Amino acid sequence: GENVEQHPSTLSVQEGDSAVIKCTYSDSASNYFPWYKQELGKGPQLIIDIRSNVGEKKDQRIAVTLNKTAKHFSLHITETQPEDSAVYFCAAWAFGNEKLTFGTGTRLTIIP
Amino acid sequence: DTEVTQTPKHLVMGMTNKKSLKCEQHMGHRAMYWYKQKAKKPPELMFVYSYEKLSINESVPSRFSPECPNSSLLNLHLHALQPEDSALYLCASSRERPANTEAFFGQGTRLTVV
Repeated sequence: GENVEQHPSTLSVQEGDSAVIKCTYSDSASNYFPWYKQELGKGPQLIIDIRSNVGEKKDQRIAVTLNKTAKHFSLHITETQPEDSAVYFCAAWAFGNEKLTFGTGTRLTIIP
Repeated sequence: DTEVTQTPKHLVMGMTNKKSLKCEQHMGHRAMYWYKQKAKKPPELMFVYSYEKLSINESVPSRFSPECPNSSLLNLHLHALQPEDSALYLCASSRERPANTEAFFGQGTRLTVV
């Protein structure tokens, strides 16, 4: 089955700096890669996703890049703000599979 | 409306109690999911319903019993739970399965078994 590894497990950055979280996946059939943000006491919220037919997608301060050859994808957050502090999960979905496989999560702390 | 609503938000139950968790969405999604999330861990899939039919049971103990009365509602019936079942229970929905589409999560029910 699919295996998704996520690094780092914790990340602290100064407000205004950039944050990068990386994930690798094992199943070459994976074709959909969402990122979720989970704030304390809340459910995961989809913040951006990318499909295997594109290499990069951007939404304001958030971007995701995908390298299918290397089987890794990354989340980039620029100009970080205190409200970006949360746990971030990457996930992968393979065509024909019925479920998302989540990474282990990254706790991002923005230092004011 | 991109909301998945779960009730209750918090639940404390004894090991002999019977309770139910409820989930509702009005996005016209035909796939609905139950996940269990322990502290500092990613969500773990429990059940998948597609077009109101159970399509995946991830070897979940029978003390958890899902039900999908209609395309908008999903229930999780709980009976004779153990303290280790204490967790955040998340409901999610997506347009259809195989998903390959956005999955939206509810806020979860924080369950404590005493």
